[in-house]
Amino acid sequence: GESVGLHLPTLSVQEGDNSIINCAYSNSASDYFIWYKQESGKGPQFIIDIRSNMDKRQGQRVTVLLNKTVKHLSLQIAATQPGDSAVYFCAENPNQAGTALIFGKGTTLSVSS
Amino acid sequence: DAGVTQSPTHLIKTRGQQVTLRCSPKSGHDTVSWYQQALGQGPQFIFQYYEEEERQRGNFPDRFSGHQFPNYSSELNVNALLLGDSALYLCASSYPNQPQHFGDGTRLSIL
Repeated sequence: GESVGLHLPTLSVQEGDNSIINCAYSNSASDYFIWYKQESGKGPQFIIDIRSNMDKRQGQRVTVLLNKTVKHLSLQIAATQPGDSAVYFCAENPNQAGTALIFGKGTTLSVSS
Repeated sequence: DAGVTQSPTHLIKTRGQQVTLRCSPKSGHDTVSWYQQALGQGPQFIFQYYEEEERQRGNFPDRFSGHQFPNYSSELNVNALLLGDSALYLCASSYPNQPQHFGDGTRLSIL
């Protein structure tokens, strides 16, 4: 079905802007969600995670919001920097944190200075 | 503290051959998962090992097999390679109920 926030394959922002990357997840039974950042030639790098008993979690310059009603996840990056340029993936886990991750479609974030 | 390390970084094989990829987990992590990432796609789960046993398996054929050793390191084996097996193979390690941390992968090319 359609999510509240549309998935955009690419997002271009100016340095210093705030970025919002959206993700729709598929399994209503999923209870754990993660955002990863993947730079060219590298593996996915853990950014932040959230469990289904929360609707918001903050890290350093990043915030993850979870809307279980519409199965939507978002990653907000404050004061975006050129070093934030990468592909961002959300992933869900239908069981517990240690088992299979199901990855969403990535969003390529481009930050221009 | 070394993170997840994978070897080799690149590999070229021909159709029908067999390949073994290796992974050393982050220090202290006892759970290892393998993923296949095609170009432009998100990683797809192959299987996960814990206490030297395959705990969970994704939708991959039996040509894909694995092993976990007592020191928690792991191998991924693929038999009868197909052109479609060309991809980046990622290993991730974790403690139970903790985030998975990924290595930089092995780029496998099938000719």
